[in-house]
Amino acid sequence: SAVISQKPSRDICQRGTSLTIQCQVDSQVTMMFWYRQQPGQSLTLIATANQGSEATYESGFVIDKFPISRPNLTFSTLTVSNMSPEDSSIYLCSVDSSTDTQYFGPGTRLTVL
Amino acid sequence: EDKVVQSPLSLVVHEGDTVTLNCSYEVTNFRSLLWYKQEKKAPTFLFMLTSSGIEKKSGRLSSILDKKELSSILNITATQTGDSAIYLCAVTADSNYQLIWGAGTKLIIKP
Repeated sequence: SAVISQKPSRDICQRGTSLTIQCQVDSQVTMMFWYRQQPGQSLTLIATANQGSEATYESGFVIDKFPISRPNLTFSTLTVSNMSPEDSSIYLCSVDSSTDTQYFGPGTRLTVL
Repeated sequence: EDKVVQSPLSLVVHEGDTVTLNCSYEVTNFRSLLWYKQEKKAPTFLFMLTSSGIEKKSGRLSSILDKKELSSILNITATQTGDSAIYLCAVTADSNYQLIWGAGTKLIIKP
């Protein structure tokens, strides 16, 4: 399975600011996914990031709030913009293996004050 | 609408007990069912099931899929405190590449 790293591991931010989360994979992958997990909830897909094209956002998520970059096949970033306390969550990136399984990065725990 | 339902939502048992977690699904053109363990932040992959009746096993954990009943169970025998986690079930369908997630079962193992 792919080895995935995420930065930062955690952060505490002030409302109104933005945070960019990085996701690095040790091998080339076609699809990368960004999830949010709010406290006590299951995973919610934010968007799918394919290299060379714009990310595909799920219902309830928009590019202005969660801009995503995917400059190559091993790297992606998710920005959480103009943050509010409701954005406090764990943010996870994952990659799709050739066997239909997704593997996850270690996650970023974001607290917005 | 596609959905995945896990039960129970939470479970507290004592070390050494055996537990069975359930996952049922309603999806169009089912392809596979996956189990993950989430301890702190990142879910870690446990099993992927595609065929009915074939048990997957890893140490004290095992899982089986029943396509007739549209469900799967995850068994943990001789539980240890390190098994305390949220266990997530997800399903894939032919219609797209996304995972459809259940709400998870929070398992607490008391010493």
